[in-house]
Amino acid sequence: KQEVTQIPAALSVPEGENLVLNCSFTDSAIYNLQWFRQDPGKGLTSLLLIQSSQREQTSGRLNASLDKSSGRSTLYIAASQPGDSATYLCVTNFGNEKLTFGTGTRLTIIP
Amino acid sequence: DGGITQSPKYLFRKEGQNVTLSCEQNLNHDAMYWYRQDPGQGLRLIYYSQIVNDFQKGDIAEGYSVSREKKESFPLTVTSAQKNPTAFYLCASSMARETEQFFGPGTRLTVL
Repeated sequence: KQEVTQIPAALSVPEGENLVLNCSFTDSAIYNLQWFRQDPGKGLTSLLLIQSSQREQTSGRLNASLDKSSGRSTLYIAASQPGDSATYLCVTNFGNEKLTFGTGTRLTIIP
Repeated sequence: DGGITQSPKYLFRKEGQNVTLSCEQNLNHDAMYWYRQDPGQGLRLIYYSQIVNDFQKGDIAEGYSVSREKKESFPLTVTSAQKNPTAFYLCASSMARETEQFFGPGTRLTVL
């Protein structure tokens, strides 16, 4: 059974700093991995999708990497802003309907 | 504007009542999903549908029912058989089951 772990559960950093969020998963036979952000009381917003054949994806200040062999993914956020404060979720997909969600990292950017 | 809508945003139910949560998408996606989110836990799959008039149980289907009469719509009914229905419910859709999922804004259900 796939397990997705995100450590730490919460992180606070000053505005302007670069930061890395970590995700590890136990079964490397994934089809793709997706990073989402969730604001309090809101739905999930897709940030980046990395296919299993890819090593990284970039969108603006965000860069996600994938290392299937070690079962790890990172989400790098450059020049953090208060608007980046949210919970970030890592989700693995085996190419079926059964996504496995991490419990998230709650990020707070301190102005 | 393409996207997924859920209604209502907040829903209150008395014990013993059935309630139906709405989910509509105009993304022309074939697959639709219902998840439940509880504090401190990851999302759990309730039901999913890959095509009209077909749906499958997820990990926690007991006490829930769905229908998929139209491609755009996938309503979820929370029945009185669901023992602990208070939660945040999220609907999602994707072009196919292996592609990127897009989520709606959610419905918060509270049982009084």
